[in-house]
Amino acid sequence: GEQVEQRPPHLSVREGDSAVITCTYTDPNSYYFFWYKQEPGASLQLLMKVFSSTEINEGQGFTVLLNKKDKRLSLNLTAAHPGDSAAYFCAVSAGGTGYQNFYFGKGTSLTVIP
Amino acid sequence: NSKVIQTPRYLVKGQGQKAKMRCIPEKGHPVVFWYQQNKNNEFKFLINFQNQEVLQQIDMTEKRFSAECPSNSPCSLEIQSSEAGDSALYLCASSLGEYSYEQYFGPGTRLTVL
Repeated sequence: GEQVEQRPPHLSVREGDSAVITCTYTDPNSYYFFWYKQEPGASLQLLMKVFSSTEINEGQGFTVLLNKKDKRLSLNLTAAHPGDSAAYFCAVSAGGTGYQNFYFGKGTSLTVIP
Repeated sequence: NSKVIQTPRYLVKGQGQKAKMRCIPEKGHPVVFWYQQNKNNEFKFLINFQNQEVLQQIDMTEKRFSAECPSNSPCSLEIQSSEAGDSALYLCASSLGEYSYEQYFGPGTRLTVL
């Protein structure tokens, strides 16, 4: 089955700095990709989804890049602030429908120092 | 914000005891997923449903775990005989299914098996 590797496991940056988290996956047939944020004691909050073969999506303060050729997905927080401190997980959909389960990376614990 | 409801938030059981947790998906979401997130942040897909019908389940679920999504009642996941290795966060997610790929997660039930 699909294997997802996420790096780094821990990341500490100063407020205002950028932070980059990367996931690589193995199954070239994987279609859909997601980033989730998990604060302590809270549920996984969907940050961004990306579907196209090579796509840059921008959200509030972050950018997501998907490169299907390299089977690589990245999340770039452009100017981190303390409220961004949380665990971040990438998720890869196993197939081409909404009935398929996700494969997750093991997460990145991000700490933003004021 | 996700409106998936999971109860209880915390569950403590002795080895060999039954452990049951419940999930109410977002209104209008016919597809429900259960995942196990262990202390190393490894996610394991357990089972998913479309309405009352099981779509996929892993071997572990077939043996010691039972799950159902009865009509007009919460979905449930029950471990028939808890083991120490079952201690984890159990996450329920719901989705519109088919051409909607996002999964929306509840806060989870944290199971501790003593």
